[in-house]
Amino acid sequence: SQQGEEDPQALSIQEGENATMNCSYKTSINNLQWYRQNSGRGLVHLILIRSNEREKHSGRLRVTLDTSKKSSSLLITASRAADTASYFCAKGGATNKLIFGTGTLLAVQP
Amino acid sequence: DADVTQTPRNRITKTGKRIMLECSQTKGHDRMYWYRQDPGLGLRLIYYSFDVKDINKGEISDGYSVSRQAQAKFSLSLESAIPNQTALYFCATSDFETSGKETQYFGPGTRLLVL
Repeated sequence: SQQGEEDPQALSIQEGENATMNCSYKTSINNLQWYRQNSGRGLVHLILIRSNEREKHSGRLRVTLDTSKKSSSLLITASRAADTASYFCAKGGATNKLIFGTGTLLAVQP
Repeated sequence: DADVTQTPRNRITKTGKRIMLECSQTKGHDRMYWYRQDPGLGLRLIYYSFDVKDINKGEISDGYSVSRQAQAKFSLSLESAIPNQTALYFCATSDFETSGKETQYFGPGTRLLVL
């Protein structure tokens, strides 16, 4: 399968703590994107990092990319109960399609 | 995202029935996609279309067909529904940028149950 792996599959933290999710992939990429999905709803784009970038920030989100290890991580700082959702990484390759990972379910306890 | 709408939102059908799921977008994007989501498997691409005259198979196209009626409309059909097609179906759109970046915008999903 071209799908990468995300870990952990599920993560439970307390409000105010940081949450880190990891994504690995197998083939070369043009970019890597992170999406969020609230239960049973459509995915919402969060952040995109290009293959020639190593780190990117957007508000409380920080994404890193290590192309030598074919991995990326998403850090959510100072988490809130409203951050509870599933988070997916998606690999953008030369064909301009996205290949989604299996997701990390984040639960932030108030 | 209200710019991408899907109908119906929920559908129950019987094995062997033909059904159509519809997707409309007001974002003016050329590219449209159909995905299915199963628990623990993330999203898998069924079909995609880069413009009105372009249709491409995705990872799991067997048992499905699509029609791109206009830039704004992309429908997915299950010719003869079977229970393992029970899933959550998403339509998405994107606008290709010359830099190679591509963000996709998703509809709210259609929950399909095949009995």
